[in-house]
Amino acid sequence: QEQLVEFGGGVVQPGGSLRLSCAASGFTFSSFAMHWVRQAPGGGLEWVASTRHDGSNEYYVKSVKGRFAISRDNSKNTLFLQMNSLRAEDTAIYYCAKDIADSYYMDVWGRGTTVTVSS
Amino acid sequence: QSALTQPASVSGSPGQSITISCTGTSSDVGSYNFVSWYQQHPGKAPRLMIYDVSYRPSGVSNRFSGSKSGNTASLTISGLQAEDEADYYCGLYTSGGTQVFGGGTKLTVL
Repeated sequence: QEQLVEFGGGVVQPGGSLRLSCAASGFTFSSFAMHWVRQAPGGGLEWVASTRHDGSNEYYVKSVKGRFAISRDNSKNTLFLQMNSLRAEDTAIYYCAKDIADSYYMDVWGRGTTVTVSS
Repeated sequence: QSALTQPASVSGSPGQSITISCTGTSSDVGSYNFVSWYQQHPGKAPRLMIYDVSYRPSGVSNRFSGSKSGNTASLTISGLQAEDEADYYCGLYTSGGTQVFGGGTKLTVL
């Protein structure tokens, strides 16, 4: 079945970097847009970034623009999120999510990986 | 990005119907039909329940329905069941490829 598994979370100091990965299986990865969504402790969902099925376009929430970069390797069925200049407010569970097509709706989600930014 | 306003909490008894609102402005909810709703149980990943205002993905019960009027989108759950108790988030795609979620509503089944 369709499955997403995130890797790469951890504890990092403010100003540090992390690279999250999301391994996809059970569907034709290259046919679907992909997204990252985060959820701060006790908080709501926040959309972070999206990329089209072919990686031709990238979109970001204003608070991470210039610091985060979403990318994908369709040959390896993997989505990435490079996070630089991390701040305390980036602390969250980061979910990888598959689009229903090449749109804006997320129908398959991973279990999430936790990022903690703390000194 | 836009801000979508949801009530912090709603409640209902089994068998009843409840509606969760998601209010934006004429520039976002009022201008776009790219509204979605997600259900999230504690400790779990979200689940897509409604997209394009009123469409249900395969596998979602027809007890869940979506609508929109003016600047407010709504999720209605009929025949409330214990397993419906969860957090619900509205989502909206706006121009430029960006998206925003509402603050979330905690549904309690009494």
